[in-house]
Amino acid sequence: EAAVTQSPRNKVAVTGGKVTLSCNQTNNHNNMYWYRQDTGHGLRLIHYSYGAGSTEKGDIPDGYKASRPSQENFSLILELATPSQTSVYFCASGDPGQGMAEQFFGPGTRLTVL
Amino acid sequence: GDSVTQTEGLVTLTKGLPVMLNCTYQTTYSPFLFWYVQHLNEAPKLLLKSSTDNKRTEHQGFYATLHKSSSSFHLQKSSVQLSDSALYFCALSDGPNYNVLYFGSGTKLTVEP
Repeated sequence: EAAVTQSPRNKVAVTGGKVTLSCNQTNNHNNMYWYRQDTGHGLRLIHYSYGAGSTEKGDIPDGYKASRPSQENFSLILELATPSQTSVYFCASGDPGQGMAEQFFGPGTRLTVL
Repeated sequence: GDSVTQTEGLVTLTKGLPVMLNCTYQTTYSPFLFWYVQHLNEAPKLLLKSSTDNKRTEHQGFYATLHKSSSSFHLQKSSVQLSDSALYFCALSDGPNYNVLYFGSGTKLTVEP
């Protein structure tokens, strides 16, 4: 079974503060992804990575940075957190292959920005 | 660009009835479609997937058929159970590199006794 873990699981931050969400996968997948989930919007892609050292912008990258220091780890960074970034964040990993590859999701991080 | 549309935001049914959750997509590439299910306070998990036109794919009592002619991949089940209450997402793998999934907005299915 695929294993994607996230930390912290819950986070309360103050407006203007820096927040780092961490993700680790033991699947040896090349690709990793960060999504946010809000009611009515489904899962929206923030950043993704093809491998160590690479980061790519997804559909909603503004206000977020990403870092992929190794095959296993992928971080999402909010340099100046705002209340609009209050959400549930999911990390996922996968290998696209020929297009039918599954993405495996972590348990999520609930972020509240006050 | 690539996109996925799920028209029902909320579906409520009585146990034992059939269900169909709609999914249509738009892409200029060869389509790869997925259904993910997310139970309350859990991570999304793959339910089923397909890239073959007009072939029914099944898993855990759910089934779907990709119809390229109508750009659809509706999810069905003949008899829903209480445990089927969850959020269901349709997703499309983007072309031409298929590195990214485009998710629909999701349908919340609630099954009542």
